[in-house]
Amino acid sequence: DSGVTQTPKHLITATGQRVTLRCSPRSGDLSVYWYQQSLDQGLQFLIQYYNGEERAKGNILERFSAQQFPDLHSELNLSSLELGDSALYFCASSFTSVTSSYEQYFGPGTRLTVT
Amino acid sequence: GNSVTQMEGPVTLSEEAFLTINCTYTATGYPSLFWYVQYPGEGLQLLLKATKADDKGSNKGFEATYRKETTSFHLEKGSVQVSDSAVYFCALSVNDMRFGAGTRLTVKP
Repeated sequence: DSGVTQTPKHLITATGQRVTLRCSPRSGDLSVYWYQQSLDQGLQFLIQYYNGEERAKGNILERFSAQQFPDLHSELNLSSLELGDSALYFCASSFTSVTSSYEQYFGPGTRLTVT
Repeated sequence: GNSVTQMEGPVTLSEEAFLTINCTYTATGYPSLFWYVQYPGEGLQLLLKATKADDKGSNKGFEATYRKETTSFHLEKGSVQVSDSAVYFCALSVNDMRFGAGTRLTVKP
């Protein structure tokens, strides 16, 4: 158990809909990262928040957005969903914003299926 | 840009065989290098890391050495077990984390 929790575990929705994925980081961790894992694209970094502020952006679509709240939990919002958005979405957390030195702890993931 | 290339799988080995999974990288600056492992139905877990050239990371019998001259960070284990069956990801970090495509390892008894 990494200490990172993600809800829901599974989500099935229709094209065009909007969903919210939730992540609670490990106790004491200030950074939250979101990743998308799909069969054709592998594991892709989406976005990082540190202590409530956006710190780094990866291959995140404009239809996707995220935020980190004062209690440090984070939400990833996916809108106007397309079939290609079906994937595993992972959240990870670490103590600092510096990715080079500190381990990232991954949650179990949310499997999103868009039909 | 920064990227990681790792050998394609799947890799199937018999128990107690020697394992090598190749990983090479391209990076500007001085990256830290990582191996993560993903067991079925779980998130990624850090297996080992190295933060500078010639560093060797090791954990649970796995080893990898940061080779700047060959831009490589190959994962090795001398004797694999069935419980090592998983997907292994090589990753680098300069400003953000970049992962390789993953290599699925299956170890048969």
